[in-house]
Amino acid sequence: ETGVTQSPTHLIKTRGQQVTLRCSSQSGHNTVSWYQQALGQGPQFIFQYYREEENGRGNFPPRFSGLQFPNYSSELNVNALELDDSALYLCASSRLAEEGNEQFFGPGTRLTVL
Amino acid sequence: KQEVTQIPAALSVPEGENLVLNCSFTDSAIYNLQWFRQDPGKGLTSLLLIQSSQREQTSGRLNASLDKSSGRSTLYIAASQPGDSATYLCAVYNNDMRFGAGTRLTVKP
Repeated sequence: ETGVTQSPTHLIKTRGQQVTLRCSSQSGHNTVSWYQQALGQGPQFIFQYYREEENGRGNFPPRFSGLQFPNYSSELNVNALELDDSALYLCASSRLAEEGNEQFFGPGTRLTVL
Repeated sequence: KQEVTQIPAALSVPEGENLVLNCSFTDSAIYNLQWFRQDPGKGLTSLLLIQSSQREQTSGRLNASLDKSSGRSTLYIAASQPGDSATYLCAVYNNDMRFGAGTRLTVKP
């Protein structure tokens, strides 16, 4: 069974640029959630995708957008990067409404905005 | 709005000690509660999941309890080891997952 994978591991961008982060779900999972974790804080929910549709969104502006593909992999896109977007971005996959909706996390992508 | 608080923020114990980490949440309408471990700069590793209808879960030296009515959960770690040193996060799930800020645990040899 393959776990959740994310790419790239690290990324450095400048303010105003756009970035795409990628996530591959654990085998058999149909839901992907994205989180932003600033240093020293708990992860903050960005949004969740279920069967290619957005299924909930946290308090993040529209310049944070996402996609889920038929194979349940996912992308997180951030436009017009700001310095405060520097964080660890985590994705998690689960089987919604099954197995207690236990979330399994990937290793994260460290984004630095200069 | 659901708020999750973890106490203490940091904890340092000698090897072999039993310890308890605390998590509290403001809205008892949760679907489940999950405890995670996070090593520095890494992703989250799921430790235990407690569904809303359950009172506790056990895995090896770990035991987690849930009291929905009081909005509390505890993670009990028996016979702590230096390899247990990490940040421990609790999270509650309803329509989305809300995390506490974590407890940073150091177990000294």
